Amino acid sequence: EIVMTQSPATLSVSPGQRATLSCRASQTVTSNVAWYQRRPGQGPRLLIYHTSIRASGVPDRFSGSGSGTQFILTISSLQSEDFAVYYCQHYHTWPWTFGQGTNVEIK
Amino acid sequence: QVQLVESGGGVVQPGRSLRLSCAASGFTFTRFAMHWVRQAPGKGLEWVAVISFDGTKEYYVDSVQGRFTVSRDNSNNTLFLQMNSLKTEDTAVYYCAQGQSGYLDDWGQGTLVTVSS
Repeated sequence: EIVMTQSPATLSVSPGQRATLSCRASQTVTSNVAWYQRRPGQGPRLLIYHTSIRASGVPDRFSGSGSGTQFILTISSLQSEDFAVYYCQHYHTWPWTFGQGTNVEIK
Repeated sequence: QVQLVESGGGVVQPGRSLRLSCAASGFTFTRFAMHWVRQAPGKGLEWVAVISFDGTKEYYVDSVQGRFTVSRDNSNNTLFLQMNSLKTEDTAVYYCAQGQSGYLDDWGQGTLVTVSS
């Protein structure tokens, strides 16, 4: 199976600052990568699919980039509601797998 | 709006069975593949199973193959996960989710399954 590795495990950021989250695939997944946000007590929320397409209702401060094996999620100016855990996921071949998550916390 | 509501979780002994349900509303259920994803305590997300929109195709992660069965009732907009021969490592919050193209558009809140003697 393809292993998705996220870094860092924890990211401490001040409100209003930029956050950059990384995700690396163990082999190419072309552009078949999605990003999710999970807040405490809630189910995950789709943010980005096909590497860079924002899901419906997702603010434009969220952006995705990359291809092949290296992917980035950028949050341009962190708002209070953005402090959460973020997961990348590939859907290139079965089984689809997730990264272990990046916890974005308030600095 | 889309609603996915899981039920059926609880505490069960190793080796026993449990059946989870997911009631779907707010979208055309019969047009979407449906998924089960779980998260064990302190761990990341793990895809468990997916069933095609018409119920003719199913895929499972290796760790549950032969023990879990996913099914759906398109007449009642409901997804199921039959879990047999449960192991302690199956302890997790189980989420149902919908998505036709590999990514998961909408998720439920999850239901907790605890396998313990």
